[in-house]
Amino acid sequence: NAGVMQNPRHLVRRRGQEARLRCSPMKGHSHVYWYRQLPEEGLKFMVYLQKENIIDESGMPKERFSAEFPKEGPSILRIQQVVRGDSAAYFCASSPILGADTEAFFGQGTRLTVV
Amino acid sequence: DAKTTQPTSMDCAEGRAANLPCNHSTISGNEYVYWYRQIHSQGPQYIIHGLKNNETNEMASLIITEDRKSSTLILPHATLRDTAVYYCIVRVAGDSGGSNYKLTFGKGTLLTVNP
Repeated sequence: NAGVMQNPRHLVRRRGQEARLRCSPMKGHSHVYWYRQLPEEGLKFMVYLQKENIIDESGMPKERFSAEFPKEGPSILRIQQVVRGDSAAYFCASSPILGADTEAFFGQGTRLTVV
Repeated sequence: DAKTTQPTSMDCAEGRAANLPCNHSTISGNEYVYWYRQIHSQGPQYIIHGLKNNETNEMASLIITEDRKSSTLILPHATLRDTAVYYCIVRVAGDSGGSNYKLTFGKGTLLTVNP
C-alpha cells in the first residue's frame, strides 16, 4: 500500500466548495482506479483511467464529478460544489499493465468531510 | 455486480488457521480469483490471486477447486492483526473491447481473530 500515495489524507470542505483529491500511482504504473466508500458501506468503483484516457467512468455520478490522469503528474478526482452526501473515503489503486493477471495496489485513501 | 458469495462473518482463534470460503459458480475460464482485505477503513490490501492452480505467498494460500466454482483463502496462523474484511473478487474483462479489468467488491467476510 505504501507505494500508492494519496493526498490529502483528510479533507474538510464546506458545502458548495470544490474538493480535489490526488493520487500518485506506484512507479511505473500507468493504470489508475478510483473507488468510493461511504460510511459503513462497501467499496464502489467510480472510474478507471490510463494515462490521458478515461477507460470506464460508469461509476461516476453524472454531475459535479470528474477525473483525469495527465501524461505528467498525479491523477486528480475533482468534486465540484460538494454536498454532505459526498462525505466518504476515496481510494485509488494503480497497476502496471493491463490484464486480469495483474494485481492492483491501493493507497490509504482520502477522507472527505463536507460540513 | 459481484460474482462471488461469501459468509458475512467468521471467527477464528489466534494462532489457528483461518479458512475463508468463497463461491464463484459462474466463473469463466479466463477469469482470475483475487483476494483483498481491508483493515478498519484502511486502503484495501492485496493478498493473493490465482487462475486454477493453488497459490501460496508469504501472506496466505489460495486453494481453488478443480471445477473452479469455489475457493478458500487460508491464513495459516491467524493473529489479531488479521482481523479485517476479506473480499473475494472474480476479475473480469469489461465490455470495452476487453480493456477494462476493474475489481468489483462485494460485501466480503468480516474475520474476527479472537485472543
